[in-house]
Amino acid sequence: DTEVTQTPKHLVMGMTNKKSLKCEQHMGHRAMYWYKQKAKKPPELMFVYSYEKLSINESVPSRFSPECPNSSLLNLHLHALQPEDSALYLCASSQDPNFSGANVLTFGAGSRLTVL
Amino acid sequence: RKEVEQDPGPFNVPEGATVAFNCTYSNSASQSFFWYRQDCRKEPKLLMSVYSSGNEDGRFTAQLNRASQYISLLIRDSKLSDSATYLCVVIFPDTGGFKTIFGAGTRLFVKA
Repeated sequence: DTEVTQTPKHLVMGMTNKKSLKCEQHMGHRAMYWYKQKAKKPPELMFVYSYEKLSINESVPSRFSPECPNSSLLNLHLHALQPEDSALYLCASSQDPNFSGANVLTFGAGSRLTVL
Repeated sequence: RKEVEQDPGPFNVPEGATVAFNCTYSNSASQSFFWYRQDCRKEPKLLMSVYSSGNEDGRFTAQLNRASQYISLLIRDSKLSDSATYLCVVIFPDTGGFKTIFGAGTRLFVKA
């Protein structure tokens, strides 16, 4: 299994809703990532989990809350989002966060989020 | 200066053309380099790693110049299916591990 699976593929939510994005990988990768991507821009790092511990939080607003229940799963909990948070949210994983050559990212297909 | 800079594009080329993209990086401690391809409304996918000795995969050739701190991607005999955004990626040591930086991406349109 060489895939990163993300659900849902599309999500529309109001500003008062609470929803979650889910990500799963079974490649034995020890780092998992959340990226946000706006149209015609590169992916923008939000969070990194290394060996199931949050290692990087790129000053993301608290309305985004990551969770790593185990080494294969990564969630992103969403609450009280703003319309400008509408974007493609990409999950990625890499084999070994402690070795640059093994930090090649494998991306999921993304969850396209629209906040009304 | 941005940590990773790419040719702005877009590049509009006819089928069969050869096209080259460059990407410069500012951190001399950078260790690993990659080219990703991203199709419209899809996720980025690894195209190829970039090694100091240069490497080739079919019509694609990647080069690394550490002295001048740039990487390049050459596409020969362009196909319509090569139309995509090409992202260069640089990894360098950072507090507690490594940092992965994406370039802004170069858009390529191959026309019939």
